Amino acid sequence: DTEVTQTPKHLVMGMTNKKSLKCEQHMGHRAMYWYKQKAKKPPELMFVYSYEKLSINESVPSRFSPECPNSSLLNLHLHALQPEDSALYLCASSQDGVVVYQETQYFGPGTRLLVL
Amino acid sequence: GQNIDQPTEMTATEGAIVQINCTYQTSGFNGLFWYQQHAGEAPTFLSYNVLDGLEEKGRFSSFLSRSKGYSYLLLKELQMKDSASYLCAVGARGTPLVFGKGTRLSVIA
Repeated sequence: DTEVTQTPKHLVMGMTNKKSLKCEQHMGHRAMYWYKQKAKKPPELMFVYSYEKLSINESVPSRFSPECPNSSLLNLHLHALQPEDSALYLCASSQDGVVVYQETQYFGPGTRLLVL
Repeated sequence: GQNIDQPTEMTATEGAIVQINCTYQTSGFNGLFWYQQHAGEAPTFLSYNVLDGLEEKGRFSSFLSRSKGYSYLLLKELQMKDSASYLCAVGARGTPLVFGKGTRLSVIA
């Protein structure tokens, strides 16, 4: 299994809603990532988990809350989002998790989020 | 910080060869990645260069010159399905991977 899966594929939410994005991988990877990607822009890193511990938070607003319940799962909890948060949210994983900066990352298909 | 530069758009003909350049400025360079991303889909890994030289993988090759801060992705025998964005991403010690803005390649008949 060389796949990273994400659910849901599409999500529409209001600014007062609470929702969660889910990501799963069964490749035995020890690092997992959340990225945000706006149209025609590159992915922007949000969070990195290494061995189930949050190792990087790229100054992301607190309305985004990551969670890593185990080494295969990564969640992103959303609360009180703004319309400008509408984007494609990508999950990725990489093998080792110790020196994450030079590891190949494998991406999931993404969740396309629209905030109204 | 890091600065990554690649052309915004390119157009090439089916069956031809195209070279997509990427220049970067960084300290603590630790490798350069190329990813392909079709519209509305996730990036997929193409290549990784950490040493100078050419890495060939089927129709795709990637070149790196660390002294010049320069890489290119070479696509041979272009196919329509190669129409996509190609992202150059640089790894550096102590910092997460940084992606360039991507080059949108259109392959025409």
